[in-house]
Amino acid sequence: DAGVTQSPTHLIKTRGQQVTLRCSPKSGHDTVSWYQQALGQGPQFIFQYYEEEERQRGNFPDRFSGHQFPNYSSELNVNALLLGDSALYLCASSLGGLIAKNIQYFGAGTRLSVL
Amino acid sequence: EDKVVQSPLSLVVHEGDTVTLNCSYEVTNFRSLLWYKQEKKAPTFLFMLTSSGIEKKSGRLSSILDKKELFSILNITATQTGDSAIYLCAPFSGTYKYIFGTGTRLKVLA
Repeated sequence: DAGVTQSPTHLIKTRGQQVTLRCSPKSGHDTVSWYQQALGQGPQFIFQYYEEEERQRGNFPDRFSGHQFPNYSSELNVNALLLGDSALYLCASSLGGLIAKNIQYFGAGTRLSVL
Repeated sequence: EDKVVQSPLSLVVHEGDTVTLNCSYEVTNFRSLLWYKQEKKAPTFLFMLTSSGIEKKSGRLSSILDKKELFSILNITATQTGDSAIYLCAPFSGTYKYIFGTGTRLKVLA
């Protein structure tokens, strides 16, 4: 049973560039959430996708956007990269959308470095 | 504004010690709280708590929730070096998202 998979594992970009990160949810899951984890901090919620729509969003600017495909996989896009975007980006999957009792399972993340 | 505070921020103990990690929260319309262990990258799920006073147990780990006083604790008994990790708590807010604390970094020395 495949868990949550993310690609790539590491990425180096320069300021102003754009980046796309990818996530495949755990088998049977239909909901994907994205988090940003800066060094020494807990994961910060970016947004959640369910039924191919953005259902909830955290305090992140519009430079952060996403998409969910019919097979439930998801992409996170970040435009006009800033040095402060350097972080570990985590994807979490769950079943059934925005329900309090849904457990989220995390992937190993993508480490983004912006130079 | 939703807020989660974990304490201590870091902890160093020796194998065999017992540790208690704290998580206090203030979130809108609280529904549930998750605990995760993060060793390198992917946080791994430990417990989900929804009701006060019911202790969840898994081997040497246990956790309990107090919805009146707005906190949860995670206990680890007979610690091992493999318990070294960051422990994260995340209450589910009525704004329909999990709010993560900064975490407690635990180091267990042999």
